[in-house]
Amino acid sequence: ELKVEQNPLFLSMQEGKNYTIYCNYSTTSDRLYWYRQDPGKSLESLFVLLSNGAVKQEGRLMASLDTKARLSTLHITAAVHDLSATYFCAVGIQGGSEKLVFGKGTKLTVNP
Amino acid sequence: GAGVSQTPSNKVTEKGKYVELRCDPISGHTALYWYRQSLGQGPEFLIYFQGTGAADDSGLPNDRFFAVRPEGSVSTLKIQRTERGDSAVYLCASRSDVGTEAFFGQGTRLTVV
Repeated sequence: ELKVEQNPLFLSMQEGKNYTIYCNYSTTSDRLYWYRQDPGKSLESLFVLLSNGAVKQEGRLMASLDTKARLSTLHITAAVHDLSATYFCAVGIQGGSEKLVFGKGTKLTVNP
Repeated sequence: GAGVSQTPSNKVTEKGKYVELRCDPISGHTALYWYRQSLGQGPEFLIYFQGTGAADDSGLPNDRFFAVRPEGSVSTLKIQRTERGDSAVYLCASRSDVGTEAFFGQGTRLTVV
């Protein structure tokens, strides 16, 4: 059974600082997704990582995937308050349904 | 439509009642998923449709849960004899045949009292 672990689960940081969220998973996959969720809202797709070594950047967020280590990271650069949200990583089950197994999420609070 | 649409956005029901939750996927998307998200948790897979057929229903928690997609577009998740533990946000997502990314709807928040 595929397990996905995120850490930290809660992150409070100051504006302007950098930090990294980690996502480990237990079985082989080369499909890794990062989503953002604001309170009471649905999931907004941030990044789709489909191969070992994939790196994608959008604004202050950068995601990477190491399939050999079964690890993805979401790096936050010079955080701003608008980045406050819960971030989920999800691993795709290849073949068949392509369903997603989600981590528990990282609740990020960026303080002024 | 432009995105995945779910109705109702909120549903409060009494324990033991029957509920139906509707999902209207992105036009042309053949893959449709239902997930359930409990408070403070990540979404958990319930069921996957490819076209009209339920290709993977391994996430349905028990036989009180059932879903249909009769014409390969709109899907309905049906919950019989609701229990308080069924309270959660039910999310629907759709994906095209050639796409790798699933797009999520706004969800239906179900509260069983």
